[in-house]
Amino acid sequence: QKEVEQNSGPLSVPEGAIASLNCTYSDRVSQSFFWYRQYSGKSPELIMSIYSNGDKEDGRFTAQLNKASQYVSLLIRDSQPSDSATYLCAVKTPGGGYQKVTFGTGTKLQVIP
Amino acid sequence: DVKVTQSSRYLVKRTGEKVFLECVQDMDHENMFWYRQDPGLGLRLIYFSYDVKMKEKGDIPEGYSVSREKKERFSLILESASTNQTSMYLCASSRRQMNTEAFFGQGTRLTVV
Repeated sequence: QKEVEQNSGPLSVPEGAIASLNCTYSDRVSQSFFWYRQYSGKSPELIMSIYSNGDKEDGRFTAQLNKASQYVSLLIRDSQPSDSATYLCAVKTPGGGYQKVTFGTGTKLQVIP
Repeated sequence: DVKVTQSSRYLVKRTGEKVFLECVQDMDHENMFWYRQDPGLGLRLIYFSYDVKMKEKGDIPEGYSVSREKKERFSLILESASTNQTSMYLCASSRRQMNTEAFFGQGTRLTVV
C-alpha cells in the first residue's frame, strides 16, 4: 500500500463548477497535511495546509481533514481555467526526531472553459 | 521572501559520470529533502536531512548519496550516473516544527546519455 494515494485523473470539470480532489494516507501518526499545485514544468507551490480535523477555507479553496478515516480532500469552488494543474497531496509524519514529507502521485485537474 | 535555489536548471551528463546536484536555502530550515519526479510516479523521496551531517534514506536511495556539511546546503550525488536516473530532481526545505510546509527549488532536469 502506498503511503499517500491519489487518483491520477485527469479530473475534468467545467468552468465555474466545484472540483473535488481526494487523498488517503496510511500512517496514523501523520500530523500535518498539505495541498500543492504544480503547473507543467514548474515546481510545486503550496496552496493549503491543514492540521486538525474539519474544514479550513481560504478564498475559493477548502481543505477537509478526517484523521479517523485517514482522508484529506481539497475543494475548489468556481473553478477557473487557470486552476488547470496537477494537485499534490503531501503528508508530514514524525519519526525518530525528524519529520518525513511524503507526496502522492498527484491528480491532474482540467478546467474546461 | 523564502528561497530554495538549485544549482542548475538543466544538466546533461554521460553514463558513468559522477554528478553533483546542489541545493541552497536561505530560510535557516532544519530539514532538507531531495525528490525525483517522473511521469506517473509522482514525487519520490530519495534522501532527507534533519540536521547538519545527518541523513536518512527515503524511498529510493539506491544509486544516490547525499552530503550536508552546512545547514543551508544539501547536495545530491549520483555516484555513477545511469540512463534510468534521467529525471526531474527537486530539492525542498522545511522547518523542524510539524505544522510547517516544505518550500521547493526550481528543479533540475537531468538527462543522462
